[in-house]
Amino acid sequence: GAVVSQHPSRVICKSGTSVKIECRSLDFQATTMFWYRQFPKKSLMLMATSNEGSKATYEQGVEKDKFLINHASLTLSTLTVTSAHPEDSSFYICSARKPGTSGEQFFGPGTRLTVL
Amino acid sequence: AQSVTQLGSHVSVSEGALVLLRCNYSSSVPPYLFWYVQYPNQGLQLLLKYTTGATLVKGINGFEAEFKKSETSFHLTKPSAHMSDAAEYFCAVSEVDAGKSTFGDGTTLTVKP
Repeated sequence: GAVVSQHPSRVICKSGTSVKIECRSLDFQATTMFWYRQFPKKSLMLMATSNEGSKATYEQGVEKDKFLINHASLTLSTLTVTSAHPEDSSFYICSARKPGTSGEQFFGPGTRLTVL
Repeated sequence: AQSVTQLGSHVSVSEGALVLLRCNYSSSVPPYLFWYVQYPNQGLQLLLKYTTGATLVKGINGFEAEFKKSETSFHLTKPSAHMSDAAEYFCAVSEVDAGKSTFGDGTTLTVKP
């Protein structure tokens, strides 16, 4: 199998605080993980590509100082939303590439972030 | 560069009717193509994928898709819709095995009783 988990599934925080979201590949090693943001009724917006042991590659327009990504091990990547504001409220989804699966991405269940 | 266009942001069918969700892609090299399904407040789940070989690909839940290189299309079909098929469907393209995928804007499938 190829299972990806995310924690927490839902978080509510006050404006100005930081929130950390974890993405874990439970039964495989993922050298590459992706972080997406999804707005209501909208497609996935790729935020960054996370590679184990190196700096994340951010998409154009994504603030790297606001959305901190760390890929400390082959099974864990974290996204930290720093100094969150209401406009950061969204559904954040991670995915992981499993070697040998021809480009398929395995998605986590998503994290609903609400900033008050 | 790669891109994906999903024709029709909303598709509505009656239960038991044919489902056809359209996807056209652009890629400078032979592509890997994917269809994913997303249920409300959940992540995406792979329905099927095309990499090489047979151009008609069968996936889960009775879905299939045909890769047509001449038409740069990868349309998703299911002979008979079920109420449980109501969801958001995303087509995606990837140019190389280790590269990122580009997703279409998604198509919302509604199934009427």
